[in-house]
Amino acid sequence: QQQVKQSPQSLIVQKGGISIINCAYENTAFDYFPWYQQVPGKGPALLIAIRPDVSEKKEGRFTISFNKSAKQFSLHIMDSQPGDSATYFCAATLNSNSGYALNFGKGTSLLVTP
Amino acid sequence: DADVTQTPRNRITKTGKRIMLECSQTKGHDRMYWYRQDPGLGLRLIYYSFDVKDINKGEISDGYSVSRQAQAKFSLSLESAIPNQTALYFCATRAGGEYTEAFFGQGTRLTVV
Repeated sequence: QQQVKQSPQSLIVQKGGISIINCAYENTAFDYFPWYQQVPGKGPALLIAIRPDVSEKKEGRFTISFNKSAKQFSLHIMDSQPGDSATYFCAATLNSNSGYALNFGKGTSLLVTP
Repeated sequence: DADVTQTPRNRITKTGKRIMLECSQTKGHDRMYWYRQDPGLGLRLIYYSFDVKDINKGEISDGYSVSRQAQAKFSLSLESAIPNQTALYFCATRAGGEYTEAFFGQGTRLTVV
């Protein structure tokens, strides 16, 4: 079953607006929560990541908010630009015998209109 | 050259045929992974490998097999391809540790007719 649930499936935001993508997980053993960005024709690439010992991480226009008690985390894209149009995947990894494999959400297709 | 290279990039094959997708990496990472991407389903783990002697099944390994020929090479095989294996396949690598970045290849688009 899907270990990381992501919403919305698609999102349309005007240029300059805020894009928000949400993810939820069940397994409290997850200890690393990255976000990947995928553009057409390419593999996913790391955008930003957070560990559960902090509640927020910001890198430029991208911010991850993490709520450990609610088992939720979200990506905020401030001042969204057309170049941000892509598919975004949240993920979580488990520190165990899983080979540090990433468990991905189903993805959010973001379109930023001019 | 790309750090993670997948071949072929596109392939059309017939039902029942055996097909191999290849992945090679220059990152020097021990951990390698095969994922499958389907629209609306995200990326699902097929197989993963800690090193050449350690291979493990992921959540959707049925119908697939893998071979880790060397630290840098990890191949995915479909012994008898079926149409519902039509998908985009990605190879990825990660360095050891918990908080490391995964590097993905550009993907192989496989169509089974």
